[in-house]
Amino acid sequence: EPEVTQTPSHQVTQMGQEVILRCVPISNHLYFYWYRQILGQKVEFLVSFYNNEISEKSEIFDDQFSVERPDGSNFTLKIRSTKLEDSAMYFCASSGRTVYNSPLHFGNGTRLTVT
Amino acid sequence: QQQVKQSPQSLIVQKGGISIINCAYENTAFDYFPWYQQFPGKGPALLIAIRPDVSEKKEGRFTISFNKSAKQFSLHIMDSQPGDSATYFCAATGTVGGATNKLIFGTGTLLAVQP
Repeated sequence: EPEVTQTPSHQVTQMGQEVILRCVPISNHLYFYWYRQILGQKVEFLVSFYNNEISEKSEIFDDQFSVERPDGSNFTLKIRSTKLEDSAMYFCASSGRTVYNSPLHFGNGTRLTVT
Repeated sequence: QQQVKQSPQSLIVQKGGISIINCAYENTAFDYFPWYQQFPGKGPALLIAIRPDVSEKKEGRFTISFNKSAKQFSLHIMDSQPGDSATYFCAATGTVGGATNKLIFGTGTLLAVQP
C-alpha cells in the first residue's frame, strides 16, 4: 500500500537555526498538509497546499514557516529561525481529494528538537 | 468555537469490553467528523467518519454515534482487543467562512485494552 514518507525521523537543531523537513506524499495525491503535535497534546493544523500554492494556513504558520513542492514528488516544510517552542512532532499528510471525500494519509512524522 | 473537546484523556478496558470515547463541538458549521487512530511511532490513520445527516455509522467493531442537537459524537469499540490499544483522536471540519480542508483535532484518548 502506498504511504507518505518523511525524513529525517528525528532532527535536533539549535535555536535560531533553519531546518527543512522533507516529505514524499503518495504519488497521485493532489492535496498536501503539514500538522504538528507537541508531546502529549493534540494534533494541530499548520498548512494545506493545493495546485502549487498554499490554500489555507493556521495562525501558527507565521513568516518563519514556508512550504515548497520543488519537484513532482517532494513536499517540504522550512522553519527559518527555530525557537524552543517549535519542538514537536511534525506530520506530513496527503489526500487524493478534499478531506470530505478522501482520508488524509499521514506519514510517521519528524520529531524536531530545538535546544 | 473552533475547538473539539474530547474525553476521557485515558481509558483502560478489559478485553472483550466496550470502549467509549466522547467528543463535543460548538461550531454548527462543522459537517464532517472523522476518527483517527494512532499507534506509537506512527502517524494518525483514519478509522471511521460520519456526516451529520445520519445518527450512527458502523464499520465492523467500530461505531460512531452522532447527536446533532447536542453537538456531540462518540466512538464505540465493541469487543475491545489488545490490538486496539492506541491513541484515538476525534476531529471535525466544515465550511467555516468558506470551503476548508483543515481538520480540527480533539486532544486524544489513550486507550489500553488489558488481556
